[in-house]
Amino acid sequence: AQKVTQAQTEISVVEKEDVTLDCVYETRDTTYYLFWYKQPPSGELVFLIRRNSFDEQNEISGRYSWNFQKSTSSFNFTITASQVVDSAVYFCALIPKGDSSYKLIFGSGTRLLVRP
Amino acid sequence: DTGVSQDPRHKITKRGQNVTFRCDPISEHNRLYWYRQTLGQGPEFLTYFQNEAQLEKSRLLSDRFSAERPKGSFSTLEIQRTEQGDSAMYLCASSPGQGVMNTIYFGEGSWLTVV
Repeated sequence: AQKVTQAQTEISVVEKEDVTLDCVYETRDTTYYLFWYKQPPSGELVFLIRRNSFDEQNEISGRYSWNFQKSTSSFNFTITASQVVDSAVYFCALIPKGDSSYKLIFGSGTRLLVRP
Repeated sequence: DTGVSQDPRHKITKRGQNVTFRCDPISEHNRLYWYRQTLGQGPEFLTYFQNEAQLEKSRLLSDRFSAERPKGSFSTLEIQRTEQGDSAMYLCASSPGQGVMNTIYFGEGSWLTVV
């Protein structure tokens, strides 16, 4: 099965708190790609990061960081010192290398609400 | 780049009517995708084009749905004889070409409500 699970439906934090969004994936491919997208109220999906299965290095971009662990099939996303502008729905997604369409397989998303 | 543009942004239609959505991808992007997103769910793949060729269709794309990309530029998604279950947001996305290293850019979506 090719599947992405985001068990957290909604998270609410107070501004400046750190928050981690969980993502667990399933794929039969040994090579695959993982993504995070942000969907603000406008509806547009905004690309945040792409990670391939051979690169388990964690990545940091400003207040955002990603933790990829193949052993647990997880690709978690942490926002440090959250801000109100971070409020959005966040999607984790997967592309197995064997799929020439490169279509994204999305999880159901986590709605993040950052309160002032 | 002006981004992926979709029109209309919102459409309310009566059950049984036909609707058409248009997508203008980023200039020179030869891959174009359609996704459907229902409330509380992630986007689900419907179909994609490489230039003007429609290369894959999801089982979600019933016979009432048809997508075209006649000149390899803009695309249309038509739903015939709409049903209430078609109510969703229809997202268009484009990418510069083959290869997963090409970022897929999404439009703001077209909301469809069937009453």
